[in-house]
Amino acid sequence: EVQVVESGGDLVQPGGSLRLSCAASGFTFTTAWMNWVRQPPGKGLEWVANINQDGSAKYYVDSVKGRFTISRDNAKNSVYLQMNSLRAEDSALYYCAGWTSGSSYWGQGTLVTVSS
Amino acid sequence: DVVMTQSPLSLPVTLGQPASISCRSSQSLVGVNGNIFLDWFQQRPGQSPRRLIYMVSNRDSGVPDRFSGSGSGSDFTLKISRVEAEDVGVYYCMQYTHRPHTFGPGTKLEIK
Repeated sequence: EVQVVESGGDLVQPGGSLRLSCAASGFTFTTAWMNWVRQPPGKGLEWVANINQDGSAKYYVDSVKGRFTISRDNAKNSVYLQMNSLRAEDSALYYCAGWTSGSSYWGQGTLVTVSS
Repeated sequence: DVVMTQSPLSLPVTLGQPASISCRSSQSLVGVNGNIFLDWFQQRPGQSPRRLIYMVSNRDSGVPDRFSGSGSGSDFTLKISRVEAEDVGVYYCMQYTHRPHTFGPGTKLEIK
């Protein structure tokens, strides 16, 4: 059974930091590009960042460049998103998603709220 | 960034009837090697998204064959041959030929 489980979301003040974690199982993690996609409440999807299979390539949406860092640990089948200098507009449900040719795997999301 | 537009944004459909969603990009999605990186996602109410179609026309594992994707250049279409109740939700296209990946605004499909 495929499982993708995000954790680490919380209420944080503007300027604060959070580290999101995503633990995957049930598929060949090392073949998947891993992505973070966010969705503000009641709004659409926004791709945030991704990382290739061996972690050598990382890409970000412009609005988070320099503030967010994606990483993965293939030994633990896990991917992470370090979020610094958080802003109100970063508030959203953050999904971890693995994409391969022929399948995609999504978690249930972890909620990040940036507010004073 | 590549801007993705979808139409219609709201799509009421009678059960058993076909449905079609258009997705257009602000620039061509043909990559340097000729591949087009355009996917379609479905998000049912209260659920996480799931990918239906990758690279324009390839169905993901487990996706019913009533879903099909087509298109070229900057003009793409998702078709549902016969809408079922479980198809209610929001449909998004997303391009990843150009960085950053960008999603369309979503099309909300509902049953009439």
